[in-house]
Amino acid sequence: GQQVMQIPQYQHVQEGEDFTTYCNSSTTLSNIQWYKQRPGGHPVFLIQLVKSGEVKKQKRLTFQFGEAKKNSSLHITATQTTDVGTYFCMWDSNYQLIWGAGTKLIIKP
Amino acid sequence: DAGVTQSPTHLIKTRGQQVTLRCSPKSGHDTVSWYQQALGQGPQFIFQYYEEEERQRGNFPDRFSGHQFPNYSSELNVNALLLGDSALYLCASSFGRIEAFFGQGTRLTVV
Repeated sequence: GQQVMQIPQYQHVQEGEDFTTYCNSSTTLSNIQWYKQRPGGHPVFLIQLVKSGEVKKQKRLTFQFGEAKKNSSLHITATQTTDVGTYFCMWDSNYQLIWGAGTKLIIKP
Repeated sequence: DAGVTQSPTHLIKTRGQQVTLRCSPKSGHDTVSWYQQALGQGPQFIFQYYEEEERQRGNFPDRFSGHQFPNYSSELNVNALLLGDSALYLCASSFGRIEAFFGQGTRLTVV
């Protein structure tokens, strides 16, 4: 069935280091949305990407949509403790809403 | 302006029973989606309601059914509960197809 592969499953970083999560699909994606879920919380919408090659920035977060619209990434520059949580990509395929498995950002003590 | 509200927050049911979960969308939103999230996993899409009809459905058995009312609120019904149905059930509302706002969820435990 249709799916979106998200990697890595976990990423441990020192505070101040960068973080990146990737979503890949074998199928062309019409759009992709990114969400953040804090521990014990619910997912919170971050952004939607629609156009091929699109790049959007939100402060230290950079979102990219591949030229072929088969992959997307979220990059956080200089992570802070407030960035801790799990980041999910989601694709609205018009038939169902397909979520990646998430990448958990862990800040090393 | 209230966000998405779900009730109840916690629920314990016995195998074989039936359960109804409720969701009130954020004001102005017309679309409600339901998800199942097991501990440590990503949300699994159950179905989405728009204009009182099921518009999209994920890979869940017919034991999972739903309804949307004229005021856009929604219910999720699960029949013949299994132990594996224990999870956090999330409701999300949106106006159109983007920027879903999630409720705090209902934690269902099946014993």
